[in-house]
This record gives sequence, C-alpha cells and structure tokens, in this order.
Amino acid sequence: NAGVMQNPRHLVRRRGQEARLRCSPMKGHSHVYWYRQLPEEGLKFMVYLQKENIIDESGMPKERFSAEFPKEGPSILRIQQVVRGDSAAYFCASSPSASVEAFFGQGTRLTVV
Amino acid sequence: QKEVEQDPGPLSVPEGAIVSLNCTYSNSAFQYFMWYRQYSRKGPELLMYTYSSGNKEDGRFTAQVDKSSKYISLFIRDSQPSDSATYLCAMSANAGNMLTFGGGTRLMVKP
Repeated sequence: NAGVMQNPRHLVRRRGQEARLRCSPMKGHSHVYWYRQLPEEGLKFMVYLQKENIIDESGMPKERFSAEFPKEGPSILRIQQVVRGDSAAYFCASSPSASVEAFFGQGTRLTVV
Repeated sequence: QKEVEQDPGPLSVPEGAIVSLNCTYSNSAFQYFMWYRQYSRKGPELLMYTYSSGNKEDGRFTAQVDKSSKYISLFIRDSQPSDSATYLCAMSANAGNMLTFGGGTRLMVKP
C-alpha cells in the first residue's frame, strides 16, 4: 500500500508563473489536508478537503491560492502568479475519515526565483 | 504570542540518555495532542497521539498531557542516534480538524 504521494518533489518557478502541486492520498483515504512549512517554521494548515468538497479553507491566502480534490484523480494545490514569499515546502496529508491520524507525504519544495 | 510554543533547540544528548521534549499552548479547546518526527527533507511521521489529559506509552516513547497547565511532553528513553530528527507537537480541537503545530525541536543524539 503506497503512502501519500506528492509530485513533483521539487518545483522551481519564476515570479509570476503558476505552480500546480499534486497529492494522491493513500488508498481508501477520502480526506486530504494541505500544510505549508516555511524555512525554520512549523507547519501551517492551509485547507481541508473531502472528495469534491472544501471542508475548511481558513488557512488559505485569499488571493492566488486554490485547491481541489476531484472525484477522480489527485488533489491539486494551485498557486497563481507566484512570488518569492511562496517559496516553502508544501505537505499533503490524508486520512480515511475525519481523524487526527493523518499520514503525510514527502512534500513538494517550491522555489520561486 | 503563538498558539503553540516549542523550544527550537537544538537539543544535543549522548546516546542512551532520556530526552524530554515539551510544548505549551494557549487554546483550551484543544483535545487531541500529537507528536510527529520529521527527518531532514522528509514528511512528518506520526509517533503518538493522546486524547485529553493523561499518559500514553509506546515502546521507548511516552507522551504526557497536562491540560490544567496547558503543557504536553514527549519522553524518549534509551535515545539512539536514529532518533536524531525534528520533533513537532501538534494539537486539534476535534478529530479531523486542522492541526496546529509547534515550531519543532531539533534533537541530536550523539553516539
């Protein structure tokens, strides 16, 4: 049973470009959470999704950021018009139900140049 | 003031030592308390979670929660060099809700 898969592992974008981060949850998991980890800081919650629904997006910046978890396929975190401050590690976690036992992926490290 | 405070370390101990890692928090609504281990450039790995106050033991690891003091601890007995990592505490008010993380404590266990 593969773990939570995130790709790409590393992503470099120029300022103003779009970044698309993908997360495939563990098999049988329908709950996905996205977190951001800035250098030397802890993880900060961004958004919680179930299949086709956004449950809680209280941690998402109001502009440029969006997330989806379609019926088929991975969850996508999309950042439009990236700025240098978006450089961070973005982690996805999944769980089979509303549970504190969420399993994290290896993260995508976004660098904006 | 951050909702969850954690000493960043680094904490350096000799192999075999007992390690104590701690977090304090301010939100009395937190009911679930987790400890994660994160190796460099990897994703966090859930070590233990505790609901409400009390102790929980798993092998060399013991988690303690004191809700009256808003203080949680993770003890590692007989520490090993392979325990060298960053340890993150995390908390949640409800199952399935967002986790609020501490900043992490970097632990180094020297052979």
